[in-house]
Amino acid sequence: DQQVKQNSPSLSVQEGRISILNCDYTNSMFDYFLWYKKYPAEGPTFLISISSIKDKNEDGRFTVFLNKSAKHLSLHIVPSQPGDSAVYFCAASEDNDMRFGAGTRLTVKP
Amino acid sequence: ETGVTQTPRHLVMGMTNKKSLKCEQHLGHNAMYWYKQSAKKPLELMFVYSLEERVENNSVPSRFSPECPNSSHLFLHLHTLQPEDSALYLCASSQGYREISNYGYTFGSGTRLTVV
Repeated sequence: DQQVKQNSPSLSVQEGRISILNCDYTNSMFDYFLWYKKYPAEGPTFLISISSIKDKNEDGRFTVFLNKSAKHLSLHIVPSQPGDSAVYFCAASEDNDMRFGAGTRLTVKP
Repeated sequence: ETGVTQTPRHLVMGMTNKKSLKCEQHLGHNAMYWYKQSAKKPLELMFVYSLEERVENNSVPSRFSPECPNSSHLFLHLHTLQPEDSALYLCASSQGYREISNYGYTFGSGTRLTVV
């Protein structure tokens, strides 16, 4: 069963605008959430995380929002840059058992 | 070198071949993981090693055989694979067993495996 879902396989955004990547989950016991970024021919790299006791975490241009009642996680990138073009994976963890989504490919056009 | 290094980057093998994937981490981590990523699917955890001991095997077919000779090296031995085993195989490490802490796992670049 797929407990973490990224329903948009791809997203295209203009440079300078906001990118919003979404992630839904089914397990209410998840207590920690992470976003990874993956460039072609490279492994996923950690981007940002949030604990279930928070609803927002910000790091520079990247902000993650958590809506526990909706079981929804989103990553906002603003302003978007061409170098942000990559595949973004959402991950959720229950007692450090981490589950991944299938990824969303973000393309930022100059 | 730093981080997690995987070799080879690409591998094409026949169904009757035997090959091995190698992973090396230079981070002093104590736990290492093998993941499989098939096209448009989530990463699937295959094996977990903690302090060189296999602690998890997530219903992986026996044609995949992991080996962890020391805390820095991890191998995945492959034999009599099927075409559906074609995927990106990722190695990862963490300080402790399933320790996500603030930064998750550190991943290697992966081995792109094609079984013909």
